Amino acid sequence: AQSVTQLDSQVPVFEEAPVELRCNYSSSVSVYLFWYVQYPNQGLQLLLKYLSGSTLVKGINGFEAEFNKSQTSFHLRKPSVHISDTAEYFCAVSDLQRNNDMRFGAGTRLTVKP
Amino acid sequence: SQTIHQWPATLVQPVGSPLSLECTVEGTSNPNLYWYRQAAGRGLQLLFYSVGIGQISSEVPQNLSASRPQDRQFILSSKKLLLSDSGFYLCAWSYQGNSPLHFGNGTRLTVT
Repeated sequence: AQSVTQLDSQVPVFEEAPVELRCNYSSSVSVYLFWYVQYPNQGLQLLLKYLSGSTLVKGINGFEAEFNKSQTSFHLRKPSVHISDTAEYFCAVSDLQRNNDMRFGAGTRLTVKP
Repeated sequence: SQTIHQWPATLVQPVGSPLSLECTVEGTSNPNLYWYRQAAGRGLQLLFYSVGIGQISSEVPQNLSASRPQDRQFILSSKKLLLSDSGFYLCAWSYQGNSPLHFGNGTRLTVT
């Protein structure tokens, strides 16, 4: 079965600085990849997804992620963060051969400081 | 458009009491439905998923059960809550196949 590792549990950055949230996955089969954002006491909201095609995926709120098959990574980036980007970010992987089986990483807490 | 409703938003229950959390989806038919639990400082753990009425798959053995009495209704239950059942419970839906999940706003359960 697939699994997801988010390498950083917490990432503090200053406002307007760039940020990268790292995600690695393991799977023996082809996968779909996702990033979700969770604001306090709310559900998760889809930021972006990689299904096929271009390995650079653009999402909402200025985020983008790059799928790297050789490194089994799907890191999330934003060139300039805002205070409002403070939230928990989750990477997720879905096994193409196993319907309905989406696995989440443990999450990365992004804190943007003024 | 599709919407997902989950209630209650917060719940405080004593140990040994029963539990019933409800989730409904509007604007789509025959969705996949999911229950996740998020413990403090941890990721999401898939508890149950359903691909149709009366079809429930359990991911981990536990003190909880799920039911899908109608196409767009998903219920999480327990006969007797344990302290370890405390957490943030999230319902989600997706289209059939490998599509993104759409989450409700969650229920914060505290077992005292």
